[in-house]
Amino acid sequence: GQNIDQPTEMTATEGAIVQINCTYQTSGFNGLFWYQQHAGEAPTFLSYNVLDGLEEKGRFSSFLSRSKGYSYLLLKELQMKDSASYLCAVMDSNYQLIWGAGTKLIIKP
Amino acid sequence: GAVVSQHPSWVICKSGTSVKIECRSLDFQATTMFWYRQFPKQSLMLMATSNEGSKATYEQGVEKDKFLINHASLTLSTLTVTSAHPEDSSFYICSARAYGSDTEAFFGQGTRLTVV
Repeated sequence: GQNIDQPTEMTATEGAIVQINCTYQTSGFNGLFWYQQHAGEAPTFLSYNVLDGLEEKGRFSSFLSRSKGYSYLLLKELQMKDSASYLCAVMDSNYQLIWGAGTKLIIKP
Repeated sequence: GAVVSQHPSWVICKSGTSVKIECRSLDFQATTMFWYRQFPKQSLMLMATSNEGSKATYEQGVEKDKFLINHASLTLSTLTVTSAHPEDSSFYICSARAYGSDTEAFFGQGTRLTVV
């Protein structure tokens, strides 16, 4: 079956760095997405990785290793507004998104 | 960037009535639109995939006669929740895939449906 695993909840301190991991097992692979979702709102696109390596976009970076079925989202210089759920999703061979359950990130002052 | 507009943002309806939710791609043509449902503290659950001009493909367990999807144009898809019941109360989100793109990155704002 298809499976996306990510931690349920993480806590970090304002100004610090946090890494949210995502492992996956899917039927085929056409890219991995990270989304941010604040409570009561729709997800917001953060990043898309289809090749191995690190993609940096401001304070957020996303890494992919296809051979390991592994990705992480790295958030630097954490701000209180970064408190949200972070969803990992993989596009399978049918170009359908398989969603992880999301990681709730709590930022403390 | 690409914008997807979903309307209404929230709606309260009486049990037994029907509710229509619209999803529009404002600045691009969306050959495929996706409808998701999200219960509190849970991830998105794909309900159906809608292709312009053809019948929607529903996921297992989703009643097609209850959740009517119409994708009449390249910029508009609608989801109608028929004979709504309190258990249909949820957050409904659409997303759109741009013509010529294999990636899905554009979400509507979501619709909070409460059935009383």
